[in-house]
Amino acid sequence: DAMVIQNPRYQVTQFGKPVTLSCSQTLNHNVMYWYQQKSSQAPKLLFHYYDKDFNNEADTPDNFQSRRPNTSFCFLDIRSPGLGDAAMYLCATSRDSGRFYEQYFGPGTRLTVT
Amino acid sequence: TQLLEQSPQFLSIQEGENLTVYCNSSSVFSSLQWYRQEPGEGPVLLVTVVTGGEVKKLKRLTFQFGDARKDSSLHITAAQPGDTGLYLCAGAPNYGGSQGNLIFGKGTKLSVKP
Repeated sequence: DAMVIQNPRYQVTQFGKPVTLSCSQTLNHNVMYWYQQKSSQAPKLLFHYYDKDFNNEADTPDNFQSRRPNTSFCFLDIRSPGLGDAAMYLCATSRDSGRFYEQYFGPGTRLTVT
Repeated sequence: TQLLEQSPQFLSIQEGENLTVYCNSSSVFSSLQWYRQEPGEGPVLLVTVVTGGEVKKLKRLTFQFGDARKDSSLHITAAQPGDTGLYLCAGAPNYGGSQGNLIFGKGTKLSVKP
C-alpha cells in the first residue's frame, strides 16, 4: 500500500544533542511537509518542500532545518534540541491537484528531550 | 490571515449519543478536509468537501460544507468508543500560490464513554 513512513517512531535525545528525523513516501507526491504537534493541539507547520523548493514558515526557529535529497525522502534536523522541542513531529505529503490539497500524514515521531 | 474556528474544543459523551463539531471562518476556502487523529498516531483524512452546500456521508459521520464555503460541520450519529480521538478541520486557502498549505482548526478532542 502507498504510504508515508516515519522513522523512528520514538526518539530520545539529550538537551543540545543534534537529532535527525526521517520521512519517506511511496505516494510519489511532489509536496512534503513537516509539522510539530504538542499535547492534542493542531499541527503547526514548520516548513514544506514544493518539489525541490524549500519554504520556511516565518516563525520556525533557525534550530530546525530540513533536507529533501529526492522525491521520496525528507529529513528534519534539529541542531540543538531544547526541552521545549519535545513534541510529536509529523510528516505529510500532498499532490498538487489544484484546489484539493489533501494531505496524507505519517504516524509521527515522538521526540523526548532529556 | 485566514483562520478556522473549531468548536467545541472538548467533548465527552456517552456511547449512543449524537454530536456535532463546527468549523467556522470569515474567509472562503476552496476545499475543506476533516481528519481524525488517534493518540500516538498521525491524522487520517476522513473526507474532503469542495462544493458549497455539499454533504458527504461516511457511515455514521455526516460532513457538510456551507453554501458560501466558509464553514463546515461534522455530525456523528450514535457515537461509539471507537470514535474517540482528535478531530481536525483544515481548509485550503482560496488564493493562488498557497502551495497546498492548509489552515488547521485547533481541533476537537472527543471522548466517547461506553
